[in-house]
Formats: sequence, C-alpha cells, structure tokens
Amino acid sequence: GIQVEQSPPDLILQEGANSTLRCNFSDSVNNLQWFHQNPWGQLINLFYIPSGTKQNGRLSATTVATERYSLLYISSSQTTDSGVYFCAVGWSGSEKLVFGKGTKLTVNP
Amino acid sequence: GAVVSQHPSRVICKSGTSVKIECRSLDFQATTMFWYRQFPKQSLMLMATSNEGSKATYEQGVEKDKFLINHASLTLSTLTVTSAHPEDSSFYICSAGDRVYGYTFGSGTRLTVV
Repeated sequence: GIQVEQSPPDLILQEGANSTLRCNFSDSVNNLQWFHQNPWGQLINLFYIPSGTKQNGRLSATTVATERYSLLYISSSQTTDSGVYFCAVGWSGSEKLVFGKGTKLTVNP
Repeated sequence: GAVVSQHPSRVICKSGTSVKIECRSLDFQATTMFWYRQFPKQSLMLMATSNEGSKATYEQGVEKDKFLINHASLTLSTLTVTSAHPEDSSFYICSAGDRVYGYTFGSGTRLTVV
C-alpha cells in the first residue's frame, strides 16, 4: 500500500519563528490533506491540497504531485500552533485516507 | 463547511460491557463514513469503512465481531465496542466527506475500559 512519511518527527520553536513540515508519499495521489490535532484530540482540517499551492493566514501549503511531496509552511509561529500535524493521502479508486506518523510541534513563548 | 459530530467525547466503562459511539454528519449526507483508532502518541489507523445501507468494510486485523458498525441513515454511523476489555481503551475518531472536497473529522471519543 501507499506509504506516507513525515519529517521532522519533532520540532521545537520559539514564538515568532518560521517552520517547514514535509510529507513524502510513495505513489500517485488524488487527495492530500494537512491536519492539526490539538491537545484535546480534535483534528482540524488545514488544507485540502492534492496539487498546487494554497495559503490561509500564516499557514500555506504546496504539493508537487509529480515529485510526490507536500510542504506545510508555518510563519510567525504562536504557542497555539503547538500540537501534532498530520499529512493524509488518498488515491484513485479508493475513499480511504492513509496518515503519516505526524510532526509534533512545540512552540515556546 | 462540513461538520461531523461525534458523541460521547469521553466514556469510562467496566470490562465486559459494550459501548456505543455515534458519528453524525450535520450539514451533509454521507453515504460513507470512516472509523479510526489512535493510540497515545501514534498516528490514526483506519479500522473500517461504514457504508449506508450495507455492511461495513473492515481493515485487515480488525475484529468485526468486536467492533460493530451500523450506518442506518445518510447522517448517522455508530460504532459499538462489544465486550470491552482494557486493551480496547483508545481514542476513536470518525470522519466523513469525499475525495473532491476532502474529509472532516469528529472530535473523537476517548474510551477507557476499567
């Protein structure tokens, strides 16, 4: 099956710093989503981005489908950005999503 | 946007009892819903695909008799953990949506079996 690898597994930042999270996937996808899981477990949908670039405030994401990776950019990080960021992908002919292992982000004041 | 409601958010039950978790799509109809399980500090693992009006499709290694799924309407799927044991303690999350617009997740249910 399709493999999803996220890096780095852990990231510690000072408030105000910028960061880039990476998601590599092993096969062609027709769905890619980035999620933020908050400390209470809620998965917040950040981006639906099977290809191209999107921006939402301090967050932006880029997926290069032909090279099988996606990047999530967080600028001017805040303590509320802390949590685990997951990348999940889906492929043609399936409704399923496969999740990476996540990047745990800690933003210190 | 699409909203998925999950209930209860937290449940503690005695070993040997059964627990039902509900997942509702509030503002859209979902012919397919998904149930995931998440252990502490780990990723989400798909347990089963819930299909409205038909049997659920379980992932390899998931006991269908232990985790009963019912999808009786276009807005409601339920997961029943039968004869729960401490090893069933986990965080269970449902989702719904589609490949075109993406998937939305419920807030999760933290099950503790004592």
